[in-house]
Amino acid sequence: SQTIHQWPATLVQPVGSPLSLECTVEGTSNPNLYWYRQAAGRGLQLLFYSVGIGQISSEVPQNLSASRPQDRQFILSSKKLLLSDSGFYLCAWSTFGQGHHFGDGTRLSIL
Amino acid sequence: EDQVTQSPEALRLQEGESSSLNCSYTVSGLRGLFWYRQDPGKGPEFLFTLYSAGEEKEKERLKATLTKKESFLHITAPKPEDSATYLCAVQAGNAGNMLTFGGGTRLMVKP
Repeated sequence: SQTIHQWPATLVQPVGSPLSLECTVEGTSNPNLYWYRQAAGRGLQLLFYSVGIGQISSEVPQNLSASRPQDRQFILSSKKLLLSDSGFYLCAWSTFGQGHHFGDGTRLSIL
Repeated sequence: EDQVTQSPEALRLQEGESSSLNCSYTVSGLRGLFWYRQDPGKGPEFLFTLYSAGEEKEKERLKATLTKKESFLHITAPKPEDSATYLCAVQAGNAGNMLTFGGGTRLMVKP
């Protein structure tokens, strides 16, 4: 069966510090991978998606970036965090024509 | 542009009091409609996929239905453990594997 792992579960970072969130998927090959952000009490905003190694599409202009160094690894990064980057970050995977399967998320707080 | 609107934003029910959640959508060629359950601090958990008008899916106390304009999630005799946020998402025929999410309905079931 397929599983998705996301870490860390919670993170508190100062403004201006760098960020690296990691997501890995097991049990499937060549999945589509996604990073979403969810603000408190609101819906999901798609940030990045990837259809293959090294292929990244950005949906929202921001100071975040994503990379896919391996087939089942997806990384969300920032060089300098802003207060507005606080939120709940979710990684997801899918295969063509199917729904998205989500990890348990990372709660990011910027101080 | 694809749009998904969920109502109500919040719903309080007494245990055993059946009700329905609504998901209205506008999409260019619906490929699929997805329902998710999200518990606080967790990622969305997949519940159902509906592909065409008239289709119904059931799981325990939940039943999802689909028309050409909206989907309903019917909750029969809910229990406190059904309390969660329920998210609806659509996948358009021209959007690859992308999903457009609604804002969710927060359901609270009191004993």
